[in-house]
Amino acid sequence: TQLLEQSPQFLSIQEGENLTVYCNSSSVFSSLQWYRQEPGEGPVLLVTVVTGGEVKKLKRLTFQFGDARKDSSLHITAAQPGDTGLYLCAQGNRDDKIIFGKGTRLHILP
Amino acid sequence: KAGVTQTPRYLIKTRGQQVTLSCSPISGHRSVSWYQQTPGQGLQFLFEYFSETQRNKGNFPGRFSGRQFSNSRSEMNVSTLELGDSALYLCASSSRLGEAKEQFFGPGTRLTVL
Repeated sequence: TQLLEQSPQFLSIQEGENLTVYCNSSSVFSSLQWYRQEPGEGPVLLVTVVTGGEVKKLKRLTFQFGDARKDSSLHITAAQPGDTGLYLCAQGNRDDKIIFGKGTRLHILP
Repeated sequence: KAGVTQTPRYLIKTRGQQVTLSCSPISGHRSVSWYQQTPGQGLQFLFEYFSETQRNKGNFPGRFSGRQFSNSRSEMNVSTLELGDSALYLCASSSRLGEAKEQFFGPGTRLTVL
């Protein structure tokens, strides 16, 4: 059974601080997506990474795909209250199935 | 392009009833997936439809079913509702980024079973 684990489960930090959340798999995956979900809404796709070692930036968010294609991280610089939400990672596999982690619930205190 | 739309947004039912949820994918997307999201279990895959055919299926009982129409719109049905079926039901349509499948979600239908 493939497992996609995210850590930490919960994170509460002050506005302006930096943070990193992690996504780790028990198996190699072909692609990985990061989503942000706000209460009462569906997840919104932030980025897709497909190449081991790949780094992508989206404003203050930096996404990294591990060289071994089994892990990924999301780093937020100078967090703002608008970054609050549930961050989900999802791994894509060769059989086209997508597996989601349970997410990191992030709360930025003003 | 308009995003994925789901109707209704909220639904309250009682145990034993059945429910039908609707999803319209992004124009041009032929794949629609359904997920159940609960606080304890996270996002769990129900099934995927592509060109009116079920392509993948998760580990849910037969009370959960779906279908897709020729215009790619999809419906899912839950029969004999149980309290544990209370959840946010999400629909996603897919496109390709190279070999990677990217999913775009609708706002969800919040189902409460009393």
